[in-house]
Amino acid sequence: QKEVEQDPGPLSVPEGAIVSLNCTYSNSAFQYFMWYRQYSRKGPELLMYTYSSGNKEDGRFTAQVDKSSKYISLFIRDSQPSDSATYLCAMSASSSGYALNFGKGTSLLVTP
Amino acid sequence: DVKVTQSSRYLVKRTGEKVFLECVQDMDHENMFWYRQDPGLGLRLIYFSYDVKMKEKGDIPEGYSVSREKKERFSLILESASTNQTSMYLCASAYPGGQETQYFGPGTRLLVL
Repeated sequence: QKEVEQDPGPLSVPEGAIVSLNCTYSNSAFQYFMWYRQYSRKGPELLMYTYSSGNKEDGRFTAQVDKSSKYISLFIRDSQPSDSATYLCAMSASSSGYALNFGKGTSLLVTP
Repeated sequence: DVKVTQSSRYLVKRTGEKVFLECVQDMDHENMFWYRQDPGLGLRLIYFSYDVKMKEKGDIPEGYSVSREKKERFSLILESASTNQTSMYLCASAYPGGQETQYFGPGTRLLVL
C-alpha cells in the first residue's frame, strides 16, 4: 500500500465552481501536511501547509486535515482558469528526517 | 524572494554520457534535495543533503551520485546516462526542520537518446 494516495483525475470544472481535492494516507506519524501547485513544465510551488489536524484558510483556498480518518483536503472557491494545474499533496512525520512523502498529483482543468 | 535555479531547462544527452545537473539556492538553506518526476509515478527522492559534503540516499539512488561542495550548490550526476533516466529532474531546498517549506526549482527535462 502506498503511503499517500491521490486520485490523478483529470478533474474538469466550470469557472466559479468549488473544487475539492483529496489525499488519503496510511502513516499515522505524519504531522505536517502540504499542498503544492504545479503548472505545466514548471516546478511545484507551495500553496498551503498545516500542522496536525484542523483547517487553514488563505484567500480562496482552504486546507483541511482529519488525522482520525487519515484524510486531507484542499478546497478552492470561485475557481478560475488560472487555477488549472496539477495539485500535489505532501506530508511528513516530525521524526522522519528531511524528506516529504508526495501524492502523485491531481490534474485540474477549470474551463471558462 | 525565494530562489532556486537549475542550470538547464532542457537537456538532450546520449546513452553512456556523464551528465551534470546543477542546482543553486540563494536562501542559505542547509537542506537540499533532488527528485525525479515521471507520469504515473509522481515525485521520487533520489538524494538529499543536510550540510556541505553530507549526502543521504533517497528512494531511488541507483545510477546517480551527488556533490555538495558549497552550501548553495547541489549537483546531481548521472555517471553513465541510460534511456530510463529520461525524466523531469527537480531540485528543492529547505531550512532544517522546515519540512513544510521545501522550495522547488523550475526543473530540468532530460532526454537520453
